[in-house]
Amino acid sequence: DAGVIQSPRHEVTEMGQEVTLRCKPISGHNSLFWYRQTMMRGLELLIYFNNNVPIDDSGMPEDRFSAKMPNASFSTLKIQPSEPRDSAVYFCASRWGQGVGADTQYFGPGTRLTVL
Amino acid sequence: SQKIEQNSEALNIQEGKTATLTCNYTNYSPAYLQWYRQDPGRGPVFLLLIRENEKEKRKERLKVTFDTTLKQSLFHITASQPADSATYLCALINDYKLSFGAGTTVTVRA
Repeated sequence: DAGVIQSPRHEVTEMGQEVTLRCKPISGHNSLFWYRQTMMRGLELLIYFNNNVPIDDSGMPEDRFSAKMPNASFSTLKIQPSEPRDSAVYFCASRWGQGVGADTQYFGPGTRLTVL
Repeated sequence: SQKIEQNSEALNIQEGKTATLTCNYTNYSPAYLQWYRQDPGRGPVFLLLIRENEKEKRKERLKVTFDTTLKQSLFHITASQPADSATYLCALINDYKLSFGAGTTVTVRA
């Protein structure tokens, strides 16, 4: 199994531009998570999908951020318009299970986003 | 407010020694706690899970304890090796949600 796949691995863009991050979860997993990691705030949950349905988006910073999961094998996180404070590493994680959180989450390699 | 604190940002130890990492939390009642390892430029990798009714869990050279009265977990790496050098994150779990500490970076000197 290739694990969770994210693209691109690195993204450099200018303030005001639209950014789209992509994630392919592990086949068979039914839960998908987007996280953001910064030095100041650490690793934070942005949004959680279960069976392709957004369950908890309370961590999404503001309306500039949106996430979709059109099918079980693909998800996107979009930032429009981007701002320098969005610079961070964005991780996608997936797991099997929807009950209590004892199930292991498998993280992708992350996308390092730099907004100039 | 809820808070998760991991001890000192960095821990430097000699190969063969035991590294002990601390995770303290306030205003949480987690049913589970996990420890992850993160290498530079990579995503976190799951290491161990411990439930609230378990006092201790072991996996090879790793040992985790969980004291819900003290609101603390300890993570031990015994007989440490340079390959153990990484950042270690604790994560508290309520339902599906993981809340992470800031991490402790461990460097093992040969």
